[in-house]
Amino acid sequence: GQNIDQPTEMTATEGAIVQINCTYQTSGFNGLFWYQQHAGEAPTFLSYNVLDGLEEKGRFSSFLSRSKGYSYLLLKELQMKDSASYLCAGMDSNYQLIWGAGTKLIIKP
Amino acid sequence: IAGITQAPTSQILAAGRRMTLRCTQDMRHNAMYWYRQDLGLGLRLIHYSNTAGTTGKGEVPDGYSVSRANTDDFPLTLASAVPSQTSVYFCASSGGPGTDTQYFGPGTRLTVL
Repeated sequence: GQNIDQPTEMTATEGAIVQINCTYQTSGFNGLFWYQQHAGEAPTFLSYNVLDGLEEKGRFSSFLSRSKGYSYLLLKELQMKDSASYLCAGMDSNYQLIWGAGTKLIIKP
Repeated sequence: IAGITQAPTSQILAAGRRMTLRCTQDMRHNAMYWYRQDLGLGLRLIHYSNTAGTTGKGEVPDGYSVSRANTDDFPLTLASAVPSQTSVYFCASSGGPGTDTQYFGPGTRLTVL
């Protein structure tokens, strides 16, 4: 079956670094997406990885290891506005997204 | 440019009633999607359309129908609503059914009593 696993909730301190992990099992693989979703709002795109390695985009970076079925999202210099849920999604062989339940990130001052 | 709009923003509906959720995009995207989001679960695909005139079933299609008469509009219809269809519904679109990023509308919060 297809499955995406990520932690339910994480807490971090303003100014610190946090890593949100995601493991995936999909029928075929066409890339791994990360989205951010603030409470009561729509998901917004953060990153896409299809090759192994680290993709850096400002304070956010995303890593992929296809052999391990593993990805992480790294958030640096945390700000209060980063408090949100972070959704991991794998794209299967039919180009459909399989979504994790999301990781709620709580930032404390 | 609005991107993707959805209507209504929220709705309370009596069980057994028919309801259509509207979705319109102005990005000329070929592919459109309907998801539901429930607490503790990931987004689940209800129906999708890779291009105008075609539709397909997602993971949880039962009780829902869609149509894609043109590129911009992708309405979702609940023929006879049931309480288990209480959820937040998101419409999304992408340039194509491949690896293009999906962009989401603001969502419709539906409560079926």
